[in-house]
Amino acid sequence: AQSVSQHNHHVILSEAASLELGCNYSYGGTVNLFWYVQYPGQHLQLLLKYFSGDPLVKGIKGFEAEFIKSKFSFNLRKPSVQWSDTAEYFCAVTGNNDMRFGAGTRLTVKP
Amino acid sequence: KAGVTQTPRYLIKTRGQQVTLSCSPISGHRSVSWYQQTPGQGLQFLFEYFSETQRNKGNFPGRFSGRQFSNSRSEMNVSTLELGDSALYLCASSLVAGHEVAFFGQGTRLTVV
Repeated sequence: AQSVSQHNHHVILSEAASLELGCNYSYGGTVNLFWYVQYPGQHLQLLLKYFSGDPLVKGIKGFEAEFIKSKFSFNLRKPSVQWSDTAEYFCAVTGNNDMRFGAGTRLTVKP
Repeated sequence: KAGVTQTPRYLIKTRGQQVTLSCSPISGHRSVSWYQQTPGQGLQFLFEYFSETQRNKGNFPGRFSGRQFSNSRSEMNVSTLELGDSALYLCASSLVAGHEVAFFGQGTRLTVV
């Protein structure tokens, strides 16, 4: 069955720490990959997406993600987090006319 | 450009009732998808409409239904509400079908008592 796994449920970091959130998927065929963010009290927003081409994708607010096809992974990274990055992050995968979201990772950044 | 608008924002219903939620996509977007978000199950895909036709459906019972109008606005209906239907229902719009980049609304918080 097609699925998306986010390994970390809750991550707590101090400001300026580096961030890496894991996302693995199990899909056959061609996939499109997304990271969405939901800030407290706000709606889901697209952080970045991968359709094809350079597997290192740069998104908004200094986030980037790397698509590693051999590992079925699309991990989200940021070199130095800020308090304002506190939010819930969702990995999503589309393929075979289906879209699945990971369970989400809650990131808390301590000032 | 206005974003995705969902109404109402909050709703309280009793078990057994039915409810209709509305979603107005971004102007020019023809694809509307619906999702249910709960703490236990996370984000789950309900269905997708494109040009008034349901293209895809998630693994939800027949009590969950939807439709899309010619102006791309969509409604979602849940009949015979159960306590477990309490959730945040999110609508997302895309230019085209097939889950291209989606823009989400703020959701309708449904509480079933």
